[in-house]
Amino acid sequence: NAGVTQTPKFRILKIGQSMTLQCTQDMNHNYMYWYRQDPGMGLKLIYYSVGAGITDKGEVPNGYNVSRSTTEDFPLRLELAAPSQTSVYFCASRSFTEAFFGQGTRLTVV
Amino acid sequence: KNEVEQSPQNLTAQEGEFITINCSYSVGISALHWLQQHPGGGIVSLFMLSSGKKKHGRLIATINIQEKHSSLHITASHPRDSAVYICAVGGADGLTFGKGTHLIIQP
Repeated sequence: NAGVTQTPKFRILKIGQSMTLQCTQDMNHNYMYWYRQDPGMGLKLIYYSVGAGITDKGEVPNGYNVSRSTTEDFPLRLELAAPSQTSVYFCASRSFTEAFFGQGTRLTVV
Repeated sequence: KNEVEQSPQNLTAQEGEFITINCSYSVGISALHWLQQHPGGGIVSLFMLSSGKKKHGRLIATINIQEKHSSLHITASHPRDSAVYICAVGGADGLTFGKGTHLIIQP
């Protein structure tokens, strides 16, 4: 099993550009999440999904969009990137007994 | 909204010492997670608890639901245990995280 796979690992965007962070899991988990981690702060929830076709906002959704067309994939879309979106992004999924995290995407907006 | 507080924020200890990291939260929960993050690295799940105590190797996690408190213990600490340890609480609608405890184990 590969677990949770995120791409890319690193990315530099210019202000106003857009990009999609990819996330896929091979554990057939219904629950998937996107978090961002800023220095000195706890991770914060951006969006989550409880199954294919169902998504909902978390604590910090502004500037992001998600879709969940399949159980495996949960991409995060950044539209019109802003410096405030410079962060490390983690995709995660969970079973009833454990949480699984991707390796993270370090995004810098300049 | 749940508030999650961890202590200490930073901890430096000598190899072999017994380590305790504490976590308290403000609202009743369905589950609590302990996670480990190495510098520049990903996040690994250590434990998911809803009651009692769990043990895995040299790591022990306990939770007191009534007092809204959990502890992570490391016995016979080793330099490879150096990492950030993160407490998180929540359910299907996502986790609320503490800011982490930065642990350094010196040889």
